[in-house]
Amino acid sequence: AQSVAQPEDQVNVAEGNPLTVKCTYSVSGNPYLFWYVQYPNRGLQFLLKYITGDNLVKGSYGFEAEFNKSQTSFHLKKPSALVSDSALYFCAVRDGYYGNNRLAFGKGNQVVVIP
Amino acid sequence: DGGITQSPKYLFRKEGQNVTLSCEQNLNHDAMYWYRQDPGQGLRLIYYSQIVNDFQKGDIAEGYSVSREKKESFPLTVTSAQKNPTAFYLCATTGTERSTDTQYFGPGTRLTVL
Repeated sequence: AQSVAQPEDQVNVAEGNPLTVKCTYSVSGNPYLFWYVQYPNRGLQFLLKYITGDNLVKGSYGFEAEFNKSQTSFHLKKPSALVSDSALYFCAVRDGYYGNNRLAFGKGNQVVVIP
Repeated sequence: DGGITQSPKYLFRKEGQNVTLSCEQNLNHDAMYWYRQDPGQGLRLIYYSQIVNDFQKGDIAEGYSVSREKKESFPLTVTSAQKNPTAFYLCATTGTERSTDTQYFGPGTRLTVL
């Protein structure tokens, strides 16, 4: 089975401060991890993914995420938050065996960046 | 959202009616998916299709039906058997069935039952 936990419902951060959105996962095999962002009444936009290699993954709009196998985590980070980063963020995982292309999503984190 | 279109953007349904949501893609992707999104619950998989003329039930398929007659199209019908259909519906695609592939999403359809 594959699952994701996003422990915080909402993350509040002041503009210009570092932003962190937490994600932990559970899989049987190798994890393939994804982050998406959603603005109101829109579809999900892909930010970044971890498949293999360097544990620090860089993505769109200045976001990055760090894969930590021992802690089964894949936290999303941005060094300096913008008001326009206010949105709903989803972490997702896929257990890495061939033919499994089903994603398990977390419940999402609402990020509010305060001007 | 580019390459994946969903229509209509907003849809209103009376109780007891079937409605069909459209999902079209011009990305030449093999796999297509339908998700339902409710506030605070994340995304739940309704149906998915890895190839034309084949599809599988997801986690919440009851009250829904799909078809995959063309590679570009994967319509979702919400039947009267779906007891609580008011939700935001998202269509997604991946290029192949490889586990490493990214899923890309359409803009969504918001269905409201009156």
